[in-house]
Amino acid sequence: QVQLKESGPGLVQPSETLSLTCTVSGFSLTSYSVSWVRQPSGKGPEWMGRMWYDGDTAYNSALKSRLSISRDTSKNQVFLKMNSLQTDDTGTYYCTRDLMGITGFDYWGQGVMVTVSS
Amino acid sequence: DIVLTQSPALAVSLGQRATISCRASESVRSSMHWYQQKSGQQPKLLIYGASNLASGVPARFSGSGSGTDFTFTIDPVEADDIATYYCQQSRNDPPTFGSGTKLEIK
Repeated sequence: QVQLKESGPGLVQPSETLSLTCTVSGFSLTSYSVSWVRQPSGKGPEWMGRMWYDGDTAYNSALKSRLSISRDTSKNQVFLKMNSLQTDDTGTYYCTRDLMGITGFDYWGQGVMVTVSS
Repeated sequence: DIVLTQSPALAVSLGQRATISCRASESVRSSMHWYQQKSGQQPKLLIYGASNLASGVPARFSGSGSGTDFTFTIDPVEADDIATYYCQQSRNDPPTFGSGTKLEIK
């Protein structure tokens, strides 16, 4: 069955870089796109960026200068790196299977809570 | 970016109908989806393409609308439906979400 699982540190220092990994199973990264979505506590989700099935990437313009998404298809993994973290980057980070205009985000990982604090 | 506007909260009695609206700042055609998020969990896709039921979702849930005005309905409401419901558009990048409607039981 389709599964996605995020992993990474729960605590990041201000101004440091966040590195997260999404490990997927049940589908191929060369057939489906994967997006990263984050959610501050008590607020709505925010789309961060997408790894297209063909290896291209797309980013939210609000984060583009700080964000990088890459993948390793042999390991079924998608990576997120975001630099210059601040306290308002605190929240839960999810990876999702992204069918875009067709069905939106049909499968989600359980999420990883990231706190930016010294 | 397309802005999606939802009412913040709705209180409904068990067994009654709950109707949640979502208005888009510009037309998204039928590229509107609805998610349920229970406390401490990830969002779950319920409705895609404005009116299509996602796999395994009970028929108590339904959606309608196109263009800029959309409606999500639960009929009848059950206790397990306590959650926050989000609309999301995928017509244009970036995909955007509404701020959520918290469903409460009277």
